[in-house]
Amino acid sequence: DAKTTQPPSMDCAEGRAANLPCNHSTISGNEYVYWYRQIHSQGPQYIIHGLKNNETNEMASLIITEDRKSSTLILPHATLRDTAVYYCIVRVLRGSTLGRLYFGRGTQLTVWP
Amino acid sequence: GAVVSQHPSWVICKSGTSVKIECRSLDFQATTMFWYRQFPKQSLMLMATSNEGSKATYEQGVEKDKFLINHASLTLSTLTVTSAHPEDSSFYICSARESAASGANVLTFGAGSRLTVL
Repeated sequence: DAKTTQPPSMDCAEGRAANLPCNHSTISGNEYVYWYRQIHSQGPQYIIHGLKNNETNEMASLIITEDRKSSTLILPHATLRDTAVYYCIVRVLRGSTLGRLYFGRGTQLTVWP
Repeated sequence: GAVVSQHPSWVICKSGTSVKIECRSLDFQATTMFWYRQFPKQSLMLMATSNEGSKATYEQGVEKDKFLINHASLTLSTLTVTSAHPEDSSFYICSARESAASGANVLTFGAGSRLTVL
């Protein structure tokens, strides 16, 4: 699986957009980009995923560069409850290993009042 | 949405005893579940893949005789930490993928079980 690189920490003011970058320069053509987050002492929560098109759901937007070597997770209006560690994971869909996700260190996002 | 329940949410045991943690998919069937371990201030580490009706697949470096996994039904996987020692104290998290799902590879995680071995 392609490795990902994320900044260890970021801050964001409440109500502002939080833009979390992720580099995955060795990503393969059939690998998806997934984002999960983990609030302190809880299990990870799925946020969004994409292959090459930008994606949006009720939680966030995912912007993937045209060369797919990096992506940005956007929380449009961050709240204090968005304070968490955000993980960017790239994963190919193969039947025998479907579902196995390997987590890096992620980005600790702190939203302040 | 899909819900995964873990029990117990926290447990304290004496060194040398065994502890069982349950992972249940509440509203969907899961032929495959995954067990992770997380030490303080570290990321999640995949321990093993639990397969319904067959043996679990362990990641490199994880002792299968130490961490027994049973996936006897489509909604339940158990992790037993045998002869627990203080170094086994950790946050154990399970996840599951719906059997009928295709393509998305979206996993639902449990809330985790915190094990403290005295």
